Amino acid sequence: DSGVTQTPKHLITATGQRVTLRCSPRSGDLSVYWYQQSLDQGLQFLIQYYNGEERAKGNILERFSAQQFPDLHSELNLSSLELGDSALYFCASSVGQENQPQHFGDGTRLSIL
Amino acid sequence: GESVGLHLPTLSVQEGDNSIINCAYSNSASDYFIWYKQESGKGPQFIIDIRSNMDKRQGQRVTVLLNKTVKHLSLQIAATQPGDSAVYFCAETHFGNEKLTFGTGTRLTIIP
Repeated sequence: DSGVTQTPKHLITATGQRVTLRCSPRSGDLSVYWYQQSLDQGLQFLIQYYNGEERAKGNILERFSAQQFPDLHSELNLSSLELGDSALYFCASSVGQENQPQHFGDGTRLSIL
Repeated sequence: GESVGLHLPTLSVQEGDNSIINCAYSNSASDYFIWYKQESGKGPQFIIDIRSNMDKRQGQRVTVLLNKTVKHLSLQIAATQPGDSAVYFCAETHFGNEKLTFGTGTRLTIIP
């Protein structure tokens, strides 16, 4: 058990809809990272928050947004969903310092019908 | 752009034998490397890491080797067990950039 909790485990919705994925980091970790894992793109970094502030952005679409709350949990919001957004979405957390490992949750599987 | 481990090979190893999983990276500025194990239905699980000032690091049944000259990373698993069957990813990052760049992974199958 990595200590990172993600909910829900599975999400099925339709095109055009909006969903929110939730992540609780490991106790003591200040950084939260979101990654997308799809069959054709592998694991891709989306965005990082550190202690409530956005720290780094990767290949995140404008339809996607995230935030980190004062209790350090994070939410990833996906809107105007398209079929191609079907993927596994992982959250990871770390202490937020250089050269420290990130620990991953078990992901949310998003299926767009 | 940055790329790590462009291929998704498969590797089958007899239970009890040693296995070696390889990874190539292209960013010469990379200074921190991690190996992850991903089992079906689970997230990537941290196995071992290594910093660029080292060329070898050992854990329990695992050893990571780093060759910065040829930008190559390997994970050795000793005395493999059925529970070692999974997809293994290498990931890298560099100073000032905490995001991980992942390889496409290697599927390891342990044959009983």
